[in-house]
This record gives sequence, structure tokens and C-alpha cells, in this order.
Amino acid sequence: DAGITQSPRHKVTETGTPVTLRCHQTENHRYMYWYRQDPGHGLRLIHYSYGVKDTDKGEVSDGYSVSRSKTEDFLLTLESATSSQTSVYFCAISGTTGELFFGEGSRLTVL
Amino acid sequence: AQRVTQPEKLLSVFKGAPVELKCNYSYSGSPELFWYVQYSRQRLQLLLRHISRESIKGFTADLNKGETSFHLKKPFAQEEDSAMYYCALRAGGAQKLVFGQGTRLTINP
Repeated sequence: DAGITQSPRHKVTETGTPVTLRCHQTENHRYMYWYRQDPGHGLRLIHYSYGVKDTDKGEVSDGYSVSRSKTEDFLLTLESATSSQTSVYFCAISGTTGELFFGEGSRLTVL
Repeated sequence: AQRVTQPEKLLSVFKGAPVELKCNYSYSGSPELFWYVQYSRQRLQLLLRHISRESIKGFTADLNKGETSFHLKKPFAQEEDSAMYYCALRAGGAQKLVFGQGTRLTINP
């Protein structure tokens, strides 16, 4: 497996609370991504990063923000979690081949 | 905008039978197509990509630009093929992948 870890792996929180998910890589890859996985919707891109402090929005970015202060870390923040953000979140990285390597996923439940 | 459609949410076939998972895309340029697979309790992983034109675990997929399709095929399904399969597209020059809705394949003994 590519050196990519996500934390926390599971989290239950209440509506309106902030949540931060962390993605850490040891591969020194330039590109990092956050996707959410929902039944019937597949994988949808939230945000991605193409370098330190360089990020861009994906197709479902509303309600999410990201930060990348170091090559190895890509943080996804829900400023005020809502029930619609209950999902499984996947981090991915890619290098020169263009292949995506995924983390194990973080299951978030917003009550 | 790019879009990937996998029309079957669920697909069930018997062991030894042929299997075909459908994938259609919409993109006016020259796409790069992928199939990713997620086995139970494992990470999503690349199964194959059209530019490599290789067969992985007995699966093949041919890009048909006329029909804008990239269907995944295997002549004889095995129980270990049971998994979630995602078709994905990369538009020319982009670093983002657009995924389809996924097809859950179940191989019955």
C-alpha cells in the first residue's frame, strides 16, 4: 500500500460542530485529493491540492475547506457539520503516473 | 463538463459466467479512462487503465470513442471478483479524476 494514512478513521459528531480530517502521506507526491463516497453518487471530489498552499475546489466543495501547509499533510475541515455531510471520506494521492492511491477512508456520522 | 455513468448499481452473476460492467462517459476531448475496484475491507485500488491495454485479474476494457464507452469484461467470473467497481475519467491535461456512481458486483457460487 502507498504510504497514506487518514485520521480519525471513525468519528461521530453533532450538527454544528467543527470537524477536521487529516490525510498524511510519506510518498512526497505533489497531488492530494479529498473525495466523499455516498451510495448512488459514487466518489465525488471535494477539494484537491497541487502543492503546498495550492488548492482548488472540486464538484462538492460547499461547506468544506482545506489546507496544505506541508507536502505530507492535507487537512479537510467542516466548519459547522451538517447531517448531509455524513459520509465516508477518502484521501488520495497521485504522482507522475497519474494513478490515484487511496487511504482507508474516514467514516463520519453527523447527528 | 465531464461525466461518467455506470448504469447498473448492482450486478449479480454466477461463478464461471461472463461479466460485463458498463461505463459510459461524456467528454468532447481525448479522455483517459480507468477502472478502480474496492474489495471488502480493502482500499480502493487501480484495476486497469485504457492506455496500458493490459489484462488484470482476467479483466479487460476497451475504449470505444464512437460509443463513448469503457466497459469492463471478464469471460469467467470468480467469487473473489465480488467487489465495488468504479469507472473514472481524466480529461486531457487535468489532474482530477471524475468517478461514476459505482457498480457492486456479486458473484454467486
